[in-house]
Amino acid sequence: DAKTTQPTSMDCAEGRAANLPCNHSTISGNEYVYWYRQIHSQGPQYIIHGLKNNETNEMASLIITEDRKSSTLILPHATLRDTAVYYCIVRATQGGSEKLVFGKGTKLTVNP
Amino acid sequence: DVKVTQSSRYLVKRTGEKVFLECVQDMDHENMFWYRQDPGLGLRLIYFSYDVKMKEKGDIPEGYSVSREKKERFSLILESASTNQTSMYLCASSTQAGGREQFFGPGTRLTVL
Repeated sequence: DAKTTQPTSMDCAEGRAANLPCNHSTISGNEYVYWYRQIHSQGPQYIIHGLKNNETNEMASLIITEDRKSSTLILPHATLRDTAVYYCIVRATQGGSEKLVFGKGTKLTVNP
Repeated sequence: DVKVTQSSRYLVKRTGEKVFLECVQDMDHENMFWYRQDPGLGLRLIYFSYDVKMKEKGDIPEGYSVSREKKERFSLILESASTNQTSMYLCASSTQAGGREQFFGPGTRLTVL
């Protein structure tokens, strides 16, 4: 079972920041937060992951609360191509299961 | 960039046929995975491999087998295709070090008639 809770859907205007929340209140100390997205009819795409510090890469920023029970993925300037289902996943990087458990994710629609 | 390729984007087979789905990655990753994705059920792990000639069953291995003779290639085999194996099949790979993020191929949409 997925250990995360995300809103079913969100809308964002093109050019604006998209902020996608995720709750993971039962996260363990050795578990990281990963974000993937899946554009329609394509394979999932890795976006970013983090443990407790905020992370940024060329695609997005990840903000993790101090208690690590929730996080927010930020797409700073959303484009129409960012329309996709976004999945938040928690998983240990060392040990534990190799499989990814995808929940239902958030369907983000970027509007012109 | 990591590249994971799958042999076909779309495939149509008949019940009882033997089906081979091929996956190749070019990043020297140790781990490779086969998932299937169905509406309402999300991604489910079929098999994974953490080394050449090594394999582990995932959550739904029944009706499937795998082969990993070379590090870069991981094959999924449907010994006798059935209609309930109509699905989107996704291959992924990851390294065993660092973040172990998985990189996915484009998927193969298999229809079994």
